[in-house]
Amino acid sequence: QQQVKQSPQSLIVQKGGISIINCAYENTAFDYFPWYQQFPGKGPALLIAIRPDVSEKKEGRFTISFNKSAKQFSLHIMDSQPGDSATYFCAARMDSSYKLIFGSGTRLLVRP
Amino acid sequence: NAGVTQTPKFQVLKTGQSMTLQCAQDMNHEYMSWYRQDPGMGLRLIHYSVGAGITDQGEVPNGYNVSRSTTEDFPLRLLSAAPSQTSVYFCASGRGGVGYTFGSGTRLTVV
Repeated sequence: QQQVKQSPQSLIVQKGGISIINCAYENTAFDYFPWYQQFPGKGPALLIAIRPDVSEKKEGRFTISFNKSAKQFSLHIMDSQPGDSATYFCAARMDSSYKLIFGSGTRLLVRP
Repeated sequence: NAGVTQTPKFQVLKTGQSMTLQCAQDMNHEYMSWYRQDPGMGLRLIHYSVGAGITDQGEVPNGYNVSRSTTEDFPLRLLSAAPSQTSVYFCASGRGGVGYTFGSGTRLTVV
């Protein structure tokens, strides 16, 4: 049973476009929602994170939108660049522990 | 400041062999964890620890053992390797439950 569902599996966007990746969860015990970026051959790196008491968080070209009632959150990459081409993972942390559960990942390709 | 160091980077095992994947962090993080990454499956939590002497199971613990005798080290042991354990393994550490730092991974092939 996948606790965090991520879509789409892959995404192709033109340079300058907006990339949108969506995640959904069921467990209301999750209390922290980070996004990770992974380049080939590297470990995932924290990109941006949000807590459920906030509906939106923006850091540069990256924005998380959070809908607590719908149990959904999404990553928006504005003005997408070829250097953003990577695999993106959403995740959720259990509030009773430090367990971080990941989505299945989205492979983003930004074409020049 | 090395962050999270994983060794080895690559390993090939024969079915039934045992081995230990090493993970060390120098950031004094109380939380450490092991994930495996398989195509289309994302990162799945194997085991985690919230401090020295404390470990717990994640989503896919079968076939793996861990121990946490020090804050810095969190080795992952495969007692009898199986082809289904072919994967890329990542160790991560963190403090306060946020901002986990990942190592660069160990690519394991079991033949």
